[in-house]
Amino acid sequence: DVKVTQSSRYLVKRTGEKVFLECVQDMDHENMFWYRQDPGLGLRLIYFSYDVKMKEKGDIPEGYSVSREKKERFSLILESASTNQTSMYLCASGGGNAEAFFGQGTRLTVV
Amino acid sequence: RKEVEQDPGPFNVPEGATVAFNCTYSNSASQSFFWYRQDCRKEPKLLMSVYSSGNEDGRFTAQLNRASQYISLLIRDSKLSDSATYLCVVTLNTGFQKLVFGTGTRLLVSP
Repeated sequence: DVKVTQSSRYLVKRTGEKVFLECVQDMDHENMFWYRQDPGLGLRLIYFSYDVKMKEKGDIPEGYSVSREKKERFSLILESASTNQTSMYLCASGGGNAEAFFGQGTRLTVV
Repeated sequence: RKEVEQDPGPFNVPEGATVAFNCTYSNSASQSFFWYRQDCRKEPKLLMSVYSSGNEDGRFTAQLNRASQYISLLIRDSKLSDSATYLCVVTLNTGFQKLVFGTGTRLLVSP
């Protein structure tokens, strides 16, 4: 079974903190994605990586950065957390014309 | 205009009913099409791919109409366990294969 694991299910952070969300996949997938999901807005792509050290901006990259130093790991970084970044964050791997596998999600609250 | 549009619902149906969802997409260059299912507070999971010839998996039938740019999902003999949000997904080639999600259609099946 493909497994995509996100480091935390729930996080509470303060405004202005630097936040790291980690994602690890075990299927040697080239592609990895970070989405956020908000009510009424669906899943929106933040960043995408198609190889180690390669990244592409998605639809809403502002306020975020990413790191992919190893193929299996894709990190999302909130440089200075703000309340409007309170959301559910979902990591996925695979994708393209094939199935995307999602992690269990991280519900981040910024206070 | 949103790239992928779905009726958010909810669709309330009794057990045993047949229910159909439609999804429209705006980019005629969309390449691949999928239906994902998302249970409450869980990650999305692939339900089925959608092919030009249409495809069926048990009680579920998916169809694609490229000319009108919509895809559909038909669920026959609804079960209580079908209650979930159904996400329409298309892929776009924007230099990389980008998955674009609809906001989802919520289905509630009642006894």
